[in-house]
Amino acid sequence: GQQLNQSPQSMFIQEGEDVSMNCTSSSIFNTWLWYKQDPGEGPVLLIALYKAGELTSNGRLTAQFGITRKDSFLNISASIPSDVGIYFCAGRPFGNEKLTFGTGTRLTIIP
Amino acid sequence: GAVVSQHPSRVICKSGTSVKIECRSLDFQATTMFWYRQFPKQSLMLMATSNEGSKATYEQGVEKDKFLINHASLTLSTLTVTSAHPEDSSFYICSAMDSPYGYTFGSGTRLTVV
Repeated sequence: GQQLNQSPQSMFIQEGEDVSMNCTSSSIFNTWLWYKQDPGEGPVLLIALYKAGELTSNGRLTAQFGITRKDSFLNISASIPSDVGIYFCAGRPFGNEKLTFGTGTRLTIIP
Repeated sequence: GAVVSQHPSRVICKSGTSVKIECRSLDFQATTMFWYRQFPKQSLMLMATSNEGSKATYEQGVEKDKFLINHASLTLSTLTVTSAHPEDSSFYICSAMDSPYGYTFGSGTRLTVV
C-alpha cells in the first residue's frame, strides 16, 4: 500500500533540543494527523489538522498543514525524555475514511 | 475521551491454528473500524476496513479467507487469523472512528506463531 514520505527516519538529540520532522505526499490530503507510538503500544494522537495552512499547537508540539495540502510538519520544542518514541504522520484524502501512514521518525534522546 | 480496547495484547499460537483478536469501542459506537498490521521497525499498513453489518473491504494483497473480519455490533470487531503460519507473526492494531474525523487506536496485539 501507499505510504507517505516522512523525514528524517531517525533523530538522535540531547534533552532540551528542538525537533522538527515532516511528511510529504504526491497526492492531496484533506486531513493530516500526527501520532506517537511507544514500543508495544498503539499510536496515540498528538495533533489533528483539518485546513490548509492551519498551524496548531499542543503544549510543546506544533504542527502545520501545508498550503499545497501535500505536506505537513511537526515541531517539538525543548525535548524531554518522555518524547522518545516513534512519530507517525497520517493523511486522509477527501471523501475517503482510510488513513495513509508515514514511514515514521524514531526519536532518541542521548544522555 | 474515546477508548478502544484490544484483546489479547499478546498471543502465541502453533502453526496451523487460528487466533481471534477483539477490538471494542468502550464509550462510543463505531460503524467503521480498521485493522492494521505492523512489522518490526515499519509503519502501519492497512489490512481492511470493517463495516458494521456488512462485509469488510480488504486492501490489495490481503487474503480475505485468511484474515476473517466480523463486525457484528456497533462496538465490536474481530479479526481471526486462520491457519496461522510464522510469517503471520506481527503486531496487529485496530482503530475505530469516534467521530467523522477522529480515529482512536487500540493498544495492539503481538501475535507470535511458532
